[in-house]
Order: sequence, then C-alpha cells, then structure tokens
Amino acid sequence: NAGVTQTPKFQVLKTGQSMTLQCAQDMNHNSMYWYRQDPGMGLRLIYYSASEGTTDKGEVPNGYNVSRLNKREFSLRLESAAPSQTSVYFCASTHRPGRLNTGELFFGEGSRLTVL
Amino acid sequence: SQQGEEDPQALSIQEGENATMNCSYKTSINNLQWYRQNSGRGLVHLILIRSNEREKHSGRLRVTLDTSKKSSSLLITASRAADTASYFCAFYNTDKLIFGTGTRLQVFP
Repeated sequence: NAGVTQTPKFQVLKTGQSMTLQCAQDMNHNSMYWYRQDPGMGLRLIYYSASEGTTDKGEVPNGYNVSRLNKREFSLRLESAAPSQTSVYFCASTHRPGRLNTGELFFGEGSRLTVL
Repeated sequence: SQQGEEDPQALSIQEGENATMNCSYKTSINNLQWYRQNSGRGLVHLILIRSNEREKHSGRLRVTLDTSKKSSSLLITASRAADTASYFCAFYNTDKLIFGTGTRLQVFP
C-alpha cells in the first residue's frame, strides 16, 4: 500500500532545461494536487485536478503545466526551468465525495528540485 | 494572498509543557484541518474540525474553532521530543486546499 508516490526525489537542472515530476496514487482518489514549499512561505498550490479529465490553476501556476494522465497519475512539467523554481514539490490526493472537496489530503514525500 | 496566517512562526518548549499554535483565515469554510510535517518529509493529516464544531479532541491534541473570528488553535498537551515538527492549518476554498504559513515547534528533552 504505497499511498502517493513521487519521482524523482531529487533533481538538479540547469536554467532553461525541462523536466517532468511524476505522481501516482493507489488509493482510488479522484482529486490530485501539486504544491511547492519554500522556506517561510508554507505550501502554495500550483495546479490541481478535481477529477479525472479536469485541471485548474492554483495560486502560483506560471511556468508550469500539468497532465492528469488517468485517475492514478498527475504529472507536473517545467518547460524551461528558472532558478525561482528551486523548491520542494509535493503531490497530494484526496477522495472527492460530492460537488466540492472537503476531505483530508494524503501527501507524497516530496521532490527536491534545484535549478542552477 | 489566500493563505492562512499562523502564529507563532516558531515555538520552543521543554518536554511536558503544552504547545499552542494559532491560525487565522479570511474566507468562509466547511472545515479546518491541521497537518504535521517532520523535517524533510511530506505532510500528515492530524485532525479535522467542522464549521459547526467549536472544539475537538484526539489523544493529546485539542483543536478549537471560532468561525466568528475566523480563527483556530491547536493545543498539544504534555509535549514530547517526538512532537518536534512543523504544523500547518488548512482550509478549502472551493476545491483548493489552502495552507497556512506554519509553526515550527521544537520540543527539548
């Protein structure tokens, strides 16, 4: 029972390179989220997918794209990495019982990205 | 910003003492949640309090909610060194779970 799995755990990029962070959950959750965490700023929502087939912008979407590949997987892509995107990225999921989300989130262990 | 605000930003106490951290928010909510994050790890859900509840207990945790003041508090009683972590409040804005800025708790043996 893996829960939420993120890959890679660590990555170093050069400015302008691209990469994709992968996230998969095995709890049959319908909602998935990507957050970034920076020192002193808590977690900020980048993108989320309330249900399979939908994606929406969060608080800080610029410079990122997402794909909800299927119910299990939600990937985050940096097309042209910038030093400001150096951060720890967390994927999370939850069961959405009705029209709106109200439940607890289950988090992955994070992906630590450094952009030089 | 949509984020919740937490205070204090950092708290240092001795084992056995109680730790209280506070959260304020700006929107109307269905519920408010508290999460814990150990250093270098993902967040783990601790407790959820619904908007029609004023107080909730879970083990050594006590959460209060005052919707008129848009504030919540988390009390950890009889703290242990293992409680050392960061603690975050969180609330939904439509489908988006918004987090507070967090309180770093250090419990000294």
